[in-house]
Amino acid sequence: AQSVTQLGSHVSVSEGALVLLRCNYSSSVPPYLFWYVQYPNQGLQLLLKYTTGATLVKGINGFEAEFKKSETSFHLTKPSAHMSDAAEYFCAVIGGSQGNLIFGKGTKLSVKP
Amino acid sequence: DTEVTQTPKHLVMGMTNKKSLKCEQHMGHRAMYWYKQKAKKPPELMFVYSYEKLSINESVPSRFSPECPNSSLLNLHLHALQPEDSALYLCASSQSGLGGYEQYFGPGTRLTVT
Repeated sequence: AQSVTQLGSHVSVSEGALVLLRCNYSSSVPPYLFWYVQYPNQGLQLLLKYTTGATLVKGINGFEAEFKKSETSFHLTKPSAHMSDAAEYFCAVIGGSQGNLIFGKGTKLSVKP
Repeated sequence: DTEVTQTPKHLVMGMTNKKSLKCEQHMGHRAMYWYKQKAKKPPELMFVYSYEKLSINESVPSRFSPECPNSSLLNLHLHALQPEDSALYLCASSQSGLGGYEQYFGPGTRLTVT
């Protein structure tokens, strides 16, 4: 069965610093992986996705993630944090025959001025 | 346009009330999903509709009743809910349930059961 594990329930960075949010996956088949962001009292917004092909995936708002099969990882990075990046971030994998998502527990990103 | 709309935005209901949540998308997507999200938790899948047919029901209590009137609309009928059902209810859609397509989420309905 597919699953994802997000390391660190809370990450705090200074404005302008590197953002690194960690996600490891478990899958018996080539995975479809996603990162979503959720701002308070809002729905989830897709940041980026990996299906096949290039392992470095660029998303919206300056975020990118690299699929590393050897490490079963799909970490999310952004070179320079902005105050507006403060939110909850979810890593997810397609987990079922109907395309339903299996989410990690989420990582709350705080950005200090 | 990648918009999924949900109404109402907020809903307060008593345990004896009947209410409905509505979700709409006009992207031509053929898979639609209901998720429930409690505070500080990830979304949990409730139902999946694929080509307007219910394909997954994640052992959800019968007081939640989904309906897919057409390919653009998804409803969630609520009856005799419990206070523990208070949560954010999210609707999502994707091009298909097959092929690893991404899901697009609506803004959610914040439900409070009193």
